[in-house]
Amino acid sequence: GESVGLHLPTLSVQEGDNSIINCAYSNSASDYFIWYKQESGKGPQFIIDIRSNMDKRQGQRVTVLLNKTVKHLSLQIAATQPGDSAVYFCAENSRGTSYGKLTFGQGTILTVHP
Amino acid sequence: DSGVTQTPKHLITATGQRVTLRCSPRSGDLSVYWYQQSLDQGLQFLIQYYNGEERAKGNILERFSAQQFPDLHSELNLSSLELGDSALYFCASSVVSQATDTQYFGPGTRLTVL
Repeated sequence: GESVGLHLPTLSVQEGDNSIINCAYSNSASDYFIWYKQESGKGPQFIIDIRSNMDKRQGQRVTVLLNKTVKHLSLQIAATQPGDSAVYFCAENSRGTSYGKLTFGQGTILTVHP
Repeated sequence: DSGVTQTPKHLITATGQRVTLRCSPRSGDLSVYWYQQSLDQGLQFLIQYYNGEERAKGNILERFSAQQFPDLHSELNLSSLELGDSALYFCASSVVSQATDTQYFGPGTRLTVL
């Protein structure tokens, strides 16, 4: 029979390359966005966040870009390493809605080849 | 290690049974969140408690209930279990209850209903 489940987008890169993971959101009222990394068998791990009054935010080897006009979010990872292999989720929240209720995207599988 | 602990790590039970999942938040965090991660639905918000009181509710089934105790640990009770309840259940915690609070996730409980 057919398998049932989410078919996650995948991204394969070579070690040392830069990676860009994209996320589209639909709620125009969303004003807080977060990227999480989930390794196999573990819980989501916070990477970086951005508020809607910003277009760009940088962390250590990561940059998040927010385009509110087209409701698009991206995560850039510089000099990708094998340890970056994981599923990456974007999540959103709105101060106008229920407090900490995060809405997660479906996720992107990043595979880094040595 | 996020500082959020969850027990048990794995749980195998039969349909119709009831189970309790336990979560201890990071030291000092007042909010606890429960999420369900399944193959076909992704990461879904279930419920949030802040300092002992329910603060936000997602698509949580009536067969599921939760509470947060005076010592701030939380329990998620799942009853009349069905095969479709098999999933990973994550607890997260944050300092207070604002939409922009970073949520730190625990390692999860893998529930298998046979």
